[in-house]
Amino acid sequence: SQQGEEDPQALSIQEGENATMNCSYKTSINNLQWYRQNSGRGLVHLILIRSNEREKHSGRLRVTLDTSKKSSSLLITASRAADTASYFCATEANNRLAFGKGNQVVVIP
Amino acid sequence: NAGVMQNPRHLVRRRGQEARLRCSPMKGHSHVYWYRQLPEEGLKFMVYLQKENIIDESGMPKERFSAEFPKEGPSILRIQQVVRGDSAAYFCASSPPSGGPKDIQYFGAGTRLSVL
Repeated sequence: SQQGEEDPQALSIQEGENATMNCSYKTSINNLQWYRQNSGRGLVHLILIRSNEREKHSGRLRVTLDTSKKSSSLLITASRAADTASYFCATEANNRLAFGKGNQVVVIP
Repeated sequence: NAGVMQNPRHLVRRRGQEARLRCSPMKGHSHVYWYRQLPEEGLKFMVYLQKENIIDESGMPKERFSAEFPKEGPSILRIQQVVRGDSAAYFCASSPPSGGPKDIQYFGAGTRLSVL
């Protein structure tokens, strides 16, 4: 079964820097989504990119999708301490979301 | 508009007991999904339901686990005769009628099950 896999798994940056996370998957998808999870909380949807889209922006977030390489990236620009969280990519196909293991991002004030 | 509501937030059970986890989807949402998250892991799909129908339960363990989404009331994930390996966070998500799984899924805060 397909599964997103994020790389790197842990990232520590200074406030104001950019954070980039990558995700790869194995099979055909309808869309790819990124979620954020704060410690001990539920997931918050960040952005959805469809399989026929290559790039999408939402505020300080930029997502790219390369279906030929089966990969996606999430860029958070001008990071803030409040961005500290785990970030998951999830691929949608066959009525389900398949999540990766997540990236732990720590933004140091 | 309240979000996805899950209760209880924390549930402690002894081995062999039953665990019942409840999920009320967002108002107007008719698709419900259950996921399980082990420590340091991503979420694993368990089951996808619509009102009174199980659409996809291929992620559910074959034994002891069941789910329902009745015409009235919340969706229920039931785990019978719990074992220590069932300890995890269980998340429910819902999506609106129009898109189903291809739409954005809105997650609840989860139920953290601890089996002693």
